[in-house]
Amino acid sequence: AQKITQTQPGMFVQEKEAVTLDCTYDTSDPSYGLFWYKQPSSGEMIFLIYQGSYDQQNATEGRYSLNFQKARKSANLVISASQLGDSAMYFCAITSGGTSYGKLTFGQGTILTVHP
Amino acid sequence: GAVVSQHPSRVICKSGTSVKIECRSLDFQATTMFWYRQFPKQSLMLMATSNEGSKATYEQGVEKDKFLINHASLTLSTLTVTSAHPEDSSFYICSAREGDRGGEKLFFGSGTQLSVL
Repeated sequence: AQKITQTQPGMFVQEKEAVTLDCTYDTSDPSYGLFWYKQPSSGEMIFLIYQGSYDQQNATEGRYSLNFQKARKSANLVISASQLGDSAMYFCAITSGGTSYGKLTFGQGTILTVHP
Repeated sequence: GAVVSQHPSRVICKSGTSVKIECRSLDFQATTMFWYRQFPKQSLMLMATSNEGSKATYEQGVEKDKFLINHASLTLSTLTVTSAHPEDSSFYICSAREGDRGGEKLFFGSGTQLSVL
């Protein structure tokens, strides 16, 4: 079984500052993928960033970067230069490789509030 | 990028009626789709995996007779909540996998808010 732990129920950040959202995971699969999604109040799940377990480099997508520390089983999301529109719920998720790819196990989420 | 369309976005129904939710991949073929459920202020929980041309695989604790899933084509999966009751009120959201390879190609629909009176 896989597990995602997000220990920060809520985070606050000043506009234009950087913020790190924590995510640790547990899996026995040698091949897996890690995702971060943003969920605004509308409910849609917006893909932010993906990291494969065999990827050598940390993933980056614009203002989003993933601090992947495989030995520590952590996959923290770093948002640089926060914007007011970044206020939302953020979920970390994991999936196995192979035929089970796509079955996501989500963490409990972190509510991010960006202050002006 | 790839788009997954989910309808309806919101539905209100009377207790005892059935509700059908559609999840459609618009510009790619999705042999596998996934259905999740989310209660307010909680995480998403996987309900079932929908495979084109075969029976859905349900997660433990999900009633297959209550939540009927049909994946009749490579672009359409439907979730029918049968004999809905107030406790079925929830946010339902689907995702689709593009192709059979790994990587990041997972796409979500916009979700359906079901309210059962």
